[in-house]
Amino acid sequence: QVQLVESGGGVVQPGRSLRLSCVASGFTFTSYPMFWLRQAPGKGLQWVAAISHDGNRKYYADSLKGRFTISRDNAENTLYLQMNTLGPEDTAVYYCARAGNIVVMVAALPRHWGQGTLVSVSS
Amino acid sequence: DIQMTQSPSTLSASVGDRVTITCRASQSISTWLAWYQQKPGKAPKVLIYKASSLESGVPSRFSGSGSGTEFTLTITSLQPDDFASYYCQHYHSYPYSFGQGTKVEIK
Repeated sequence: QVQLVESGGGVVQPGRSLRLSCVASGFTFTSYPMFWLRQAPGKGLQWVAAISHDGNRKYYADSLKGRFTISRDNAENTLYLQMNTLGPEDTAVYYCARAGNIVVMVAALPRHWGQGTLVSVSS
Repeated sequence: DIQMTQSPSTLSASVGDRVTITCRASQSISTWLAWYQQKPGKAPKVLIYKASSLESGVPSRFSGSGSGTEFTLTITSLQPDDFASYYCQHYHSYPYSFGQGTKVEIK
């Protein structure tokens, strides 16, 4: 079955960087678009970024463009989120998710989610 | 970018009630809309996709309708397991976005 395990979260000081990882198993990772989404404590869901199955296309939430970078290593079945210049507003649980269908990036639904990793930005 | 407006933010209901949640898009998204359920401490799960298609394994008391800019999620005969938060999300074009969420509470 589809398994997505996020890691890399923790407490980080404002202005610092952090890289999150998501290890995938139970499916052919190289075939699926992938996503990062987040949820601040007690708040709603926010879509963060998406990447095509081959890593050639990337999309970001406008508010995060320039600070966050999504990438993937298909040889290692791993999705990444590089987060720079972190601020308190970036405190959230970060989820990775897999699209429901293979390859197609258009109208790709984040169907399968990991359990998330908590990032806390605090001095 | 497409904005999603969801209402109400909180809903108090009793077991057995019929519940309706509304989601409005700032421009037409055809039927590229999903509904998620989220319980405390858990990841969201898809209930409805393509506005009205029921995800496999989801009870038939959940249904979705709408197209264009107006969408609804209906739960007929609310069950104890349904007390949770619900979110709509469009996937018409990037960047995707979510509604603000609706918390369904016990009356």
